[in-house]
Amino acid sequence: AAGVIQSPRHLIKEKRETATLKCYPIPRHDTVYWYQQGPGQDPQFLISFYEKMQSDKGSIPDRFSAQQFSDYHSELNMSSLELGDSALYFCASSSRLGGSYEQYFGPGTRLTVT
Amino acid sequence: LAKTTQPISMDSYEGQEVNITCSHNNIATNDYITWYQQFPSQGPRFIIQGYKTKVTNEVASLFIPADRKSSTLSLPRVSLSDTAVYYCLVGRNTGTASKLTFGTGTRLQVTL
Repeated sequence: AAGVIQSPRHLIKEKRETATLKCYPIPRHDTVYWYQQGPGQDPQFLISFYEKMQSDKGSIPDRFSAQQFSDYHSELNMSSLELGDSALYFCASSSRLGGSYEQYFGPGTRLTVT
Repeated sequence: LAKTTQPISMDSYEGQEVNITCSHNNIATNDYITWYQQFPSQGPRFIIQGYKTKVTNEVASLFIPADRKSSTLSLPRVSLSDTAVYYCLVGRNTGTASKLTFGTGTRLQVTL
């Protein structure tokens, strides 16, 4: 079965640079979520999109922005990177159909800021 | 969102049944209880979800007492591959995107 695809899997950037993370949800899933997990920490919700509209916002820094495109893929744009942005970034997707809101997570993008 | 409390860590031997209890005293009427599993450097994976009484699937069972202020995830006959962090989450299944709020999960270590 198709899973959530994230690219790149690993990314190394320097401070003050920008990064773009991409997420391709499971086909026919209408909702995408972004989570950040720092070293030794629990996943923290950043932002979500439902049918290409932002639906919820969590602890996402103003330096970050995201959007969902017409093909339902999503991109997380991160600017003025800081050392503290080094983390695993997970994308998840879900579908309202069937009444279950189970979220399917991708393999994550490991961002290292040096 | 209801706050959850679960043990920080648990140890078990392979083949044993493991029960992880989660407290959620201020659970709301519309809240569901969901458990996720996470292996190191991997995304969390849905295990089971329930509202009341007992739910069972091919992986685990979820026991929820009548007052719903706690829940217990039961893993039958664990193996080494069940070593992971287990998260208990409580929240509404809303009509739009429902963010997951992860608290401090339970780190389960299974040994021979």
